[in-house]
Amino acid sequence: NFMLTQPHSVSESPGKTVTISCSCSSGSIASNYVQWYQQRPGSSPTTVIYEDNQRPSGVPDRFSGSIDSSSNSASLTISGLKTEDEADYYCQSYDSSNPFVVFGGGTKLTVL
Amino acid sequence: EVQLVESGGGLVQPGRSLRLSCAASGFTFDDYAMHWVRQPPGKGLEWVSGISWNSDTLDYADSVKGRFTISRDNAKNSLYLQMNSLRTEDMALYYCAKDFYGVLRYYFDYWGRGTLVTVSS
Repeated sequence: NFMLTQPHSVSESPGKTVTISCSCSSGSIASNYVQWYQQRPGSSPTTVIYEDNQRPSGVPDRFSGSIDSSSNSASLTISGLKTEDEADYYCQSYDSSNPFVVFGGGTKLTVL
Repeated sequence: EVQLVESGGGLVQPGRSLRLSCAASGFTFDDYAMHWVRQPPGKGLEWVSGISWNSDTLDYADSVKGRFTISRDNAKNSLYLQMNSLRTEDMALYYCAKDFYGVLRYYFDYWGRGTLVTVSS
């Protein structure tokens, strides 16, 4: 089984761009889709990216996802940061052959 | 509008049982797989269990295998989690989550608000 490792916290100013990384410990990050969930304080998670780079309807195009096979990691990029983007962000993947579902430890985004 | 409303949480002693329910609305329930995901207070997310649209496939995290049972009643648009032999480490907010697909694909597009399970003597 593999692990997903995220930075504990990141911060950036409003209007700027931030990228949150999600590193896969073993196997290929490209083997199964990566998802990203946003969890604002006191709220349930919501999906901002699925299947590596797809946005659910209603998620602004300021949010984008990608995977990088060379670094075996996934990334969530948020551009034009707003104070409302301040939240915990979790990456998630799975191994359907096992089955095994894993979340990263979460990254606290501060917009200041 | 998709709505998932969990219920059944509460305070329970170690070793006892609890049954969680999730009432679904706003989508065709029997077209989609469903999951339970939990979050201990102040900590991260952990997938617990998933069930395919027709209950043919049931999957569990190793941490709950043999103790928890997932089920669904498509006629009632409801998902359940029977939790036996509860441990203190099972204490968490339990979310009901909808899969993107009918077969288990293990990723989620909608989440409920959660129901809190406290395990303490």
